[in-house]
Amino acid sequence: EAAVTQSPRSKVAVTGGKVTLSCHQTNNHDYMYWYRQDTGHGLRLIHYSYVADSTEKGDIPDGYKASRPSQENFSLILELASLSQTAVYFCASSEGDSSGNTLYFGEGSRLIVV
Amino acid sequence: LAKTTQPPSMEAYEGQEVNVSCSHTNIATSEYIYWYRQVPHQGPQFIIQGYKDYVVNEVASLFISADRKLSTLSLPWVSLRDAAVYYCIVTVNYNQGKLIFGQGTKLSIKP
Repeated sequence: EAAVTQSPRSKVAVTGGKVTLSCHQTNNHDYMYWYRQDTGHGLRLIHYSYVADSTEKGDIPDGYKASRPSQENFSLILELASLSQTAVYFCASSEGDSSGNTLYFGEGSRLIVV
Repeated sequence: LAKTTQPPSMEAYEGQEVNVSCSHTNIATSEYIYWYRQVPHQGPQFIIQGYKDYVVNEVASLFISADRKLSTLSLPWVSLRDAAVYYCIVTVNYNQGKLIFGQGTKLSIKP
């Protein structure tokens, strides 16, 4: 049973449209993250959260919003999708204490913006 | 945060032991070494972490040089399932999961 689940797993969006990627974790972790991966590259941190109703900017937050309505759920929102946001998006969770750098990732959401 | 350098790719046969190296010449005394791997169409998976000397778990071993500028991930008896991109990450222990993934080492396994 996957502890971090993402939806949708794949999506095609039109330029200028709104996209919401959802993430649900059953690890009872405080920290959740959204990373982006472009083809052939490593992952980059977009937003993260260490408590419900609060989010923090990561390394590449421009063009993205995040929402953490509960400990279990963390959403990534693209208000005006652009071609450059075509990528695979990964959600992750961690305990956030001394083992906070051990992240548990979901299987990814592939987004294609046309 | 220390920068890491890994070989872009490696090949091995099933059953071999594979050693993936990572150079981190500017590692700070407060930084630890983490290894993740990512198989195609999945998210990265934590493998092992260490600070110095030698660490072992059920999946891999991690050797860290005495000056901590070089680490080597050792995978015993690789199988086709070990084909993945292996990421070496150096960061402080309390970085709250804000990790920087480089391009990693793509390990290909031949039957």
